[in-house]
Amino acid sequence: GAGVSQSPSNKVTEKGKDVELRCDPISGHTALYWYRQSLGQGLEFLIYFQGNSAPDKSGLPSDRFSAERTGGSVSTLTIQRTQQEDSAVYLCASSLGLAGGGSPAYEQYFGPGTRLTVT
Amino acid sequence: AQSVAQPEDQVNVAEGNPLTVKCTYSVSGNPYLFWYVQYPNRGLQFLLKYITGDNLVKGSYGFEAEFNKSQTSFHLKKPSALVSDSALYFCAVRARGYKLSFGAGTTVTVRA
Repeated sequence: GAGVSQSPSNKVTEKGKDVELRCDPISGHTALYWYRQSLGQGLEFLIYFQGNSAPDKSGLPSDRFSAERTGGSVSTLTIQRTQQEDSAVYLCASSLGLAGGGSPAYEQYFGPGTRLTVT
Repeated sequence: AQSVAQPEDQVNVAEGNPLTVKCTYSVSGNPYLFWYVQYPNRGLQFLLKYITGDNLVKGSYGFEAEFNKSQTSFHLKKPSALVSDSALYFCAVRARGYKLSFGAGTTVTVRA
């Protein structure tokens, strides 16, 4: 079956421009997550969605970062006025649901990532 | 706060020898522990998880991991390594909330 897909796979942009990164989760997965992977910071959690709502936005690095999810499926991560320190690989993951109470801890399935380079 | 430590940046082993990748964690409450592998220019692939029950967890590609509560460790093991196991391995923990906290990663190189 189809896994998590992300587009574009690579994006080069000039400092100060806005970028949009897209994630298509596995069909039927209600939870969706964004992470950032960079040399200096390792893997950082950015934000997660349960359905279309994002209860925890604490991982977003600044107010230049925002994310939305529509129809409980596709998600878009937007970075406004990009800076060079935004250069990283942005990973999206999805899972069947969010663990809680007696529910099992669902593993997250990751997409291939979008490599963002800000020049 | 939850955190994961992978004390070794690199592990080098000969093909056919046992492979161990170390992971220790710090978390309040019962941990959910995961191992992921990342091949060059690819996303993370799930290997295995510990939720509860048996301390020895078996996963994909012949990997297993042992949960040790007293030592707060969750080391990844493979009895006989293959060259194709060469990759970047991440340990992750989730306690309260839904985000995963990852270790810094361990690069495994298996030489023929």
